[in-house]
Amino acid sequence: GNSVTQMEGPVTLSEEAFLTINCTYTATGYPSLFWYVQYPGEGLQLLLKATKADDKGSNKGFEATYRKETTSFHLEKGSVQVSDSAVYFCAVGYDMRFGAGTRLTVKP
Amino acid sequence: NAGVTQTPKFQVLKTGQSMTLQCAQDMNHNSMYWYRQDPGMGLRLIYYSASEGTTDKGEVPNGYNVSRLNKREFSLRLESAAPSQTSVYFCASSGRDNEKLFFGSGTQLSVL
Repeated sequence: GNSVTQMEGPVTLSEEAFLTINCTYTATGYPSLFWYVQYPGEGLQLLLKATKADDKGSNKGFEATYRKETTSFHLEKGSVQVSDSAVYFCAVGYDMRFGAGTRLTVKP
Repeated sequence: NAGVTQTPKFQVLKTGQSMTLQCAQDMNHNSMYWYRQDPGMGLRLIYYSASEGTTDKGEVPNGYNVSRLNKREFSLRLESAAPSQTSVYFCASSGRDNEKLFFGSGTQLSVL
């Protein structure tokens, strides 16, 4: 099956700092790639996705680009807020495998 | 619109007991999934069902069985619970493979 390797956390940043969370994948075929977010005490919800190579997914100031040549889908945000504190999961489509998750804490 | 509904929300079992986690979706989705979430391990796929009548093993299927009862329902059974199965379990569905997942609210299971 497919697999995902995600940057280990936890990550602690100050408000307005730049965020990068690395994600690489192995897959057969050309699966869609996803980032999900889990806020404290809640289930997972989709943050953004990309369905083919060179696609950029974006939502709420977060972006990730589907890089087939490096098999990567790194999550970035230019200026994080306290409300972005959550656990972020990278996932690869078809059999929907997830990475281990990266806990982000943003301090005021 | 209920989305994905999981029951129960909490359960405590003794080692060796059996139980079934129920999951139903009302979005007419073909694909359904069961995951477990453990600290530091992220979400690991237990079983999935790409369509009614089919099921496939995921990363950690041992100790579990599933039934895709119909298009709406996908249950997860623990025949003889073990402490290692203490976890939070999530059911999810999608319109088809390779599409966005919709998650249930989770079941917190403790096996003593």
